[in-house]
Amino acid sequence: DARVTQTPRHKVTEMGQEVTMRCQPILGHNTVFWYRQTMMQGLELLAYFRNRAPLDDSGMPKDRFSAEMPDATLATLKIQPSEPRDSAVYFCASGSRQGSYNSPLHFGNGTRLTVT
Amino acid sequence: DAKTTQPPSMDCAEGRAANLPCNHSTISGNEYVYWYRQIHSQGPQYIIHGLKNNETNEMASLIITEDRKSSTLILPHATLRDTAVYYCIVKETSGSRLTFGEGTQLTVNP
Repeated sequence: DARVTQTPRHKVTEMGQEVTMRCQPILGHNTVFWYRQTMMQGLELLAYFRNRAPLDDSGMPKDRFSAEMPDATLATLKIQPSEPRDSAVYFCASGSRQGSYNSPLHFGNGTRLTVT
Repeated sequence: DAKTTQPPSMDCAEGRAANLPCNHSTISGNEYVYWYRQIHSQGPQYIIHGLKNNETNEMASLIITEDRKSSTLILPHATLRDTAVYYCIVKETSGSRLTFGEGTQLTVNP
């Protein structure tokens, strides 16, 4: 089964440190999404890309978060500097867009971030 | 995208059918009903989607009412591994964004 791979699975860091989370989308998928999940807010969309171009990052705090796709096999989400309120599980998902049809999304198993 | 309403929790006995309801009274003509689930400590998993006809796959069946204002996800023979949060989402297939609500926590009991 093709899978979305996220690394690391767990990350503990101190406030103020830079955090980089990585995602390998399913080969051939051209849309990539970043979600954040907390107990209080549930699953929130942070940003998404199509064909490596950012389409919407309105859900992301711009002052500290950045999302990129250096190539079709890698998406990154960076937080600099990190804060305790960033503690959450971050999910990456990928899908395929053909014409105006979007396939269902496939999610990775997330990166659990703890900022102390 | 139209808003959905789901019960916060449901219980089901192992081996029995689990019927998870979803109300989407403001759904528009070009919006589909999608179901995802999230098992503890995993990412959400796609289950099924449909427009107006009933749909069935290896995981579940989706029954959509004729007026399309509500739907039911059916797991025909629930197992303990089906314990998860189930999300009902309404969106256009041309829309990229998938917006998750609070879902239904389904607990399958032995």
